[in-house]
Amino acid sequence: AQTVTQSQPEMSVQEAETVTLSCTYDTSENNYYLFWYKQPPSRQMILVIRQEAYKQQNATENRFSVNFQKAAKSFSLKISDSQLGDTAMYFCAFMKTMGGSEKLVFGKGMKLTVNP
Amino acid sequence: GAVVSQHPSWVICKSGTSVKIECRSLDFQATTMFWYRQFPKQSLMLMATSNEGSKATYEQGVEKDKFLINHASLTLSTLTVTSAHPEDSSFYICSARDSGTNSYEQYFGPGTRLTVT
Repeated sequence: AQTVTQSQPEMSVQEAETVTLSCTYDTSENNYYLFWYKQPPSRQMILVIRQEAYKQQNATENRFSVNFQKAAKSFSLKISDSQLGDTAMYFCAFMKTMGGSEKLVFGKGMKLTVNP
Repeated sequence: GAVVSQHPSWVICKSGTSVKIECRSLDFQATTMFWYRQFPKQSLMLMATSNEGSKATYEQGVEKDKFLINHASLTLSTLTVTSAHPEDSSFYICSARDSGTNSYEQYFGPGTRLTVT
């Protein structure tokens, strides 16, 4: 079974600074997706960024980028120029893509607070 | 972008009654939808995978007779919590995959807060 570990339960950062959220996972699969989701106080889940395991290039979406280390099974999220609106719970998630399974396995989440 | 709605957004019911939660994909068709449960300050736990026109697939430990799932159309899945008890109070979230694309992305609804008194 796949597991996703987010070891930092909570972090805070000053506005405009850069912060890195860590995530590790355990799987025997070779083909899979990794995701970072954001859940603000409204509790709406919002996709931040995704990474296909077969792609060596790290995904980037504006201020958000990942450091994907497949051999180390590590998938960290870097938020640059942090904004107050980035305050939220962040969940790392794994999805196996072979065998017809589309289940998302979430980490426990990390609460990020951006301070003015 | 793809939008998923849930209704109601919150509901309070008495112990022993049943409550139905709807999940709709508004601008795409979804042969597969997912139901999650989230307790306060915890992560999302998958309860079941809802498949249009067939029986749902439940995760281990989830009572299928208590959490009835119906996916009767390509845009609607419903979750009925039968004989609800206070321990069923939680935040229920659905998601849907666009069956018209090859993308594995799941689009999430805004969630339903259930309180059983």
